[in-house]
Amino acid sequence: QKEVEQNSGPLSVPEGAIASLNCTYSDRGSQSFFWYRQYSGKSPELIMSIYSNGDKEDGRFTAQLNKASQYVSLLIRDSQPSDSATYLCAVGIGDLHPYGNKLVFGAGTILRVKS
Amino acid sequence: EPEVTQTPSHQVTQMGQEVILRCVPISNHLYFYWYRQILGQKVEFLVSFYNNEISEKSEIFDDQFSVERPDGSNFTLKIRSTKLEDSAMYFCASRPRGRTEAFFGQGTRLTVV
Repeated sequence: QKEVEQNSGPLSVPEGAIASLNCTYSDRGSQSFFWYRQYSGKSPELIMSIYSNGDKEDGRFTAQLNKASQYVSLLIRDSQPSDSATYLCAVGIGDLHPYGNKLVFGAGTILRVKS
Repeated sequence: EPEVTQTPSHQVTQMGQEVILRCVPISNHLYFYWYRQILGQKVEFLVSFYNNEISEKSEIFDDQFSVERPDGSNFTLKIRSTKLEDSAMYFCASRPRGRTEAFFGQGTRLTVV
């Protein structure tokens, strides 16, 4: 059973601070990793993807991947109240399959940014 | 920006009734998915679809479920005889060839009473 684990939170940070969200996964063969943001009652919205060890930056977001430790993280700099949401870590399973992959999601971490 | 669209946004049905959830994936995407999220729980994979056939399905996707791409643009999920435990948000997603990112529709909230 492929598992993705996240701390459910809530993680509370003050406005302007850095929020750090973490995720571990069980499938060593996974090649693709994603962070989705989900507002209450809404659908997952893709915010970052990462495939190689190291850091990947996009605006205020930085994704970090360490395949040896099976660990993915998301840093949000200059956190804003509008960043308050549930952040879902997802791992691609079967990326090399010719008929496509699927995503295994963690339960999500609730982030609250206080103004 | 192109997006995945789902209809209806909310469906209430009586237990035992059939429901069809509809999705229009992004036009140049080739891989299609249904996921569901029971309230307060994880997003769970149901089924993937490629080249007009199911490529993978989960344990949840039993004989009560079916998918179809009837006309080259729509992608539907049918639940033949709904149960109370089918109440959930159902998300359609699509993915283009050569990329691994999946993009989700806004979801259909299914309530079985």
